[in-house]
Amino acid sequence: ETGVTQTPRHLVMGMTNKKSLKCEQHLGHNAMYWYKQSAKKPLELMFVYSLEERVENNSVPSRFSPECPNSSHLFLHLHTLQPEDSALYLCASSPLPGLNYNEQFFGPGTRLTVL
Amino acid sequence: GENVEQHPSTLSVQEGDSAVIKCTYSDSASNYFPWYKQELGKRPQLIIDIRSNVGEKKDQRIAVTLNKTAKHFSLHITETQPEDSAVYFCAAWYSSASKIIFGSGTRLSIRP
Repeated sequence: ETGVTQTPRHLVMGMTNKKSLKCEQHLGHNAMYWYKQSAKKPLELMFVYSLEERVENNSVPSRFSPECPNSSHLFLHLHTLQPEDSALYLCASSPLPGLNYNEQFFGPGTRLTVL
Repeated sequence: GENVEQHPSTLSVQEGDSAVIKCTYSDSASNYFPWYKQELGKRPQLIIDIRSNVGEKKDQRIAVTLNKTAKHFSLHITETQPEDSAVYFCAAWYSSASKIIFGSGTRLSIRP
């Protein structure tokens, strides 16, 4: 167990639903990330939080809304998603704050299916 | 824009032989290059990384080389074992843009 947990592990939702993904890290890290992993596509960085402040938003549609209430928790709020948003959503954390990239510790992911 | 190309997309080698995966990046401002291994149904895990001020780094059977002039870096696995079978991702980090770009992955299979 890497110390990064995600819930739920699997989620099926309709396009009109609102749901949230949760990530929690028990490693004392200062940065957290959301990634999207689709079949046959590279890992895509969605959001970066450093010391609870969002420092990067890689042109993600507004139907994805992140929230980082403290350095241990990260949420991804979902609403009015499209079928092409179906993917594995990975959370990660890293030790150092700021914009210096360092080793990412990934969670197990949430497999999202949008009907 | 920033781009990372990874080759090959699939690779099959005999157990005990070496495997090499290559990546090229587009932006010379990249300064950190990690490699992640993702086994089937599991999360990605860092296996080795290299910074732009170093040309080569080795950790037991795994090594990474970086050619900044040519803007490419490679992962070398020697004496491959069945547990090396996985998908490997390279990545390039652009500190100026606080952005990381991943390659498309290489599915490595080790034949017994």
